[in-house]
Amino acid sequence: EDQVTQSPEALRLQEGESSSLNCSYTVSGLRGLFWYRQDPGKGPEFLFTLYSAGEEKEKERLKATLTKKESFLHITAPKPEDSATYLCAVRGTGNQFYFGTGTSLTVIP
Amino acid sequence: DGGITQSPKYLFRKEGQNVTLSCEQNLNHDAMYWYRQDPGQGLRLIYYSQIVNDFQKGDIAEGYSVSREKKESFPLTVTSAQKNPTAFYLCASSHLGTVEAFFGQGTRLTVV
Repeated sequence: EDQVTQSPEALRLQEGESSSLNCSYTVSGLRGLFWYRQDPGKGPEFLFTLYSAGEEKEKERLKATLTKKESFLHITAPKPEDSATYLCAVRGTGNQFYFGTGTSLTVIP
Repeated sequence: DGGITQSPKYLFRKEGQNVTLSCEQNLNHDAMYWYRQDPGQGLRLIYYSQIVNDFQKGDIAEGYSVSREKKESFPLTVTSAQKNPTAFYLCASSHLGTVEAFFGQGTRLTVV
């Protein structure tokens, strides 16, 4: 069964304190692994797609990496505006997306 | 601006009433999806459609219905048969030839 597990559920960082969020997955025939950012009361905002193990993508202070079993979202020197819930999702050979429950990130000034 | 528009942003429903949530996209995407989001749970798929006049049930379709009469539109009806409809509803769309999906801003439905 396709599934996604994210950890930790919540993370509090001081401004400038780098850290990583984890997304472990099982899927039949990975077509893509996705990271989204979601602010309270808003829809998820697309960040990255990773297609195969070894791939990396960067955007400002965020860097996503992918192995055959998990993905990491590295946050370098975070700022308070990076506070949000980060969602991970996978898509296999079917047409459905499978989402994790998210990591709620709070960056304290 | 291209995007996915959900309306209304907030919706209140009395028990026993049906309500319809609107989702419109001008991205020329083929596939459209409806998800439900509850606190502490991942997004759960209600229905999805890959082509006009065709749609498939997701994991939690009971108590919901959809239609896809136009490529741009995929409305979701929450019927009185849905026992616990209070939730945040998200519409998404994607090209069939690509893998990622893009989301609207959501509709928060509250049963009063």
